[in-house]
Formats: sequence, C-alpha cells, structure tokens
Amino acid sequence: DARVTQTPRHKVTEMGQEVTMRCQPILGHNTVFWYRQTMMQGLELLAYFRNRAPLDDSGMPKDRFSAEMPDATLATLKIQPSEPRDSAVYFCASGEGGIGTEAFFGQGTRLTVV
Amino acid sequence: AQTVTQSQPEMSVQEAETVTLSCTYDTSENNYYLFWYKQPPSRQMILVIRQEAYKQQNATENRFSVNFQKAAKSFSLKISDSQLGDTAMYFCAFLNHFGNEKLTFGTGTRLTIIP
Repeated sequence: DARVTQTPRHKVTEMGQEVTMRCQPILGHNTVFWYRQTMMQGLELLAYFRNRAPLDDSGMPKDRFSAEMPDATLATLKIQPSEPRDSAVYFCASGEGGIGTEAFFGQGTRLTVV
Repeated sequence: AQTVTQSQPEMSVQEAETVTLSCTYDTSENNYYLFWYKQPPSRQMILVIRQEAYKQQNATENRFSVNFQKAAKSFSLKISDSQLGDTAMYFCAFLNHFGNEKLTFGTGTRLTIIP
C-alpha cells in the first residue's frame, strides 16, 4: 500500500525552538510538495522539488523556513526559530511529475507553537 | 493569478440523497486541470476526481461526477447516493498547465451526511 508518510503526526513546541518535519514520498515519485493549511489562509504551497532539486520555494518565509531533500526517500521542512503564527497543519505530497498528474498527500503534521 | 471560490462553507444532506458542491474559478489560461479533493477527519487529502480543461466530456468516478462549464468557469461536484463515509471537507483545486505546478485551492465545503 504505497503512501506518503509524514512524521511526527503532532508536534507541540515552545516559541523559539527548532522544528523539523519529515516526509517519505512514495517510492518512485520524483516530485515532492510541501503545503501548509491554516484556518485563515487555507492550503498554500510552500515549496516543491523535482528530482531532489528545489523548483519553487517562493511561498516559504526564507528567514526561518528551510526545505531540503537529503535523498530521494526523505524530504524535510525546518522552522528555526518557530513562532506561534507557524501553528498549522503541514502536508507533504508526492507525484510522478508532469503537469496534471495526481499529487498524493500524507496525513500531515499538526504543529502547535506556544 | 488564479483564484478558486467555493461559496458553500457547509452543507448537509440525508444519506442516499444527491448533493452538489459548487466551485468557480478565475483564470486567463486556456489549458489547465481541475480537481476535487476530499479531506475526512483523518486529515489526509484524497483525490476524488480530476478534469482536464481541454476535454469537453465531464469526468465521472463511480458515484462522483462533475459538471464542468468552461465558459462559465464553473466546476461543480455531484455526489450521488451519498454515504456516511462521504462526510468530509471537500476542496476544489486548480492547476495551470504551464509553469509552476502549484495547486490553488478553494476554501472548502464541509459536507455532512445525515443518517
């Protein structure tokens, strides 16, 4: 049963702490997306990668957020330092690449910054 | 920039009835894709149905079908014979054929199926 796996499912942290969210894309998928879901903004694209190279990270606050793919089986999203306004659900999705192909979503990481 | 509007924040319907969720979008592009995603309480986003703008025929997937009106920029989702498991948030999404592979989502419709 191929699926996108995200860890942790839930994270509560204090303001100022570093947060790392991890994603294992579906094996064979070459495109990885990071989305953020909040009540106010809905679902927004933060960044996406093709063959591990970042193609667009314009949706990501550069001063505190960073996204990487150390290898084809792992994508990470880091926030340092975290702020209460970063509280949201962060989704990773992967796809086979190519416009119009389906993006398969993980179950998300619910981040709460207090 | 593209925008997606879902004008129904919440809807409810009796089990086994048919329900239609509305979605309109704004774009100057001619080639694009439209999607409906379902987000149940488990939180995972699940693709329900997909439509390519160059195809005139409306997409169908079992009990789910769309009414795609390109000139009106409308993309509604019809769920027939609704089931309790259909209870979820439903998001309409737009993807441009060219350029950035960013899905632009609407604000969602919370659908409740009443037993």
